[in-house]
Amino acid sequence: TQLLEQSPQFLSIQEGENLTVYCNSSSVFSSLQWYRQEPGEGPVLLVTVVTGGEVKKLKRLTFQFGDARKDSSLHITAAQPGDTGLYLCAGVNTNAGKSTFGDGTTLTVKP
Amino acid sequence: EAQVTQNPRYLITVTGKKLTVTCSQNMNHEYMSWYRQDPGLGLRQIYYSMNVEVTDKGDVPEGYKVSRKEKRNFPLILESPSPNQTSLYFCASSFRPGGGYTFGSGTRLTVV
Repeated sequence: TQLLEQSPQFLSIQEGENLTVYCNSSSVFSSLQWYRQEPGEGPVLLVTVVTGGEVKKLKRLTFQFGDARKDSSLHITAAQPGDTGLYLCAGVNTNAGKSTFGDGTTLTVKP
Repeated sequence: EAQVTQNPRYLITVTGKKLTVTCSQNMNHEYMSWYRQDPGLGLRQIYYSMNVEVTDKGDVPEGYKVSRKEKRNFPLILESPSPNQTSLYFCASSFRPGGGYTFGSGTRLTVV
């Protein structure tokens, strides 16, 4: 079983601060996805990265896929209370159809 | 609206009573998958399906069955539920594996 480790597990910051969440594995993935989940709801896809070294930006969120396609990071600039939620990374091996999720990072942004 | 619909949203049942959680998507996606989410254990894949009549085990398939007779539907069957299957279940679909999943709203199952 492939494993994805996310860190930190919990993060509580003030509005306006920057933060980075990490997703690491010893396995190579065909693609890696980031999701945000709110209580009582299903995860919502933020981004998919497929190329080693790829960087994608979504407004104040920057996602990076490691060169070896084993790790990824999510950086949020000037966090806002609306960013509060559970952030999940997921690694996928396209041919196999299996997906592996990290345990998640619970982010709280205080006004 | 493009969506994955799961039913029921909440279910309390007794040990050993067979149940089915339905999942339907309206996006013509080929790939569908079931997950369970437990505190401290994250989302774990139960079964997935690459296409109609093609299903395969995920990481935690014991105690579950699935079928994929039509492209849009992917029901999860618990033949004899046990308390350790109490969990939050999510169905997801995508155009292809790795393409980014659309998740349903979840089914909270309690087995007493």
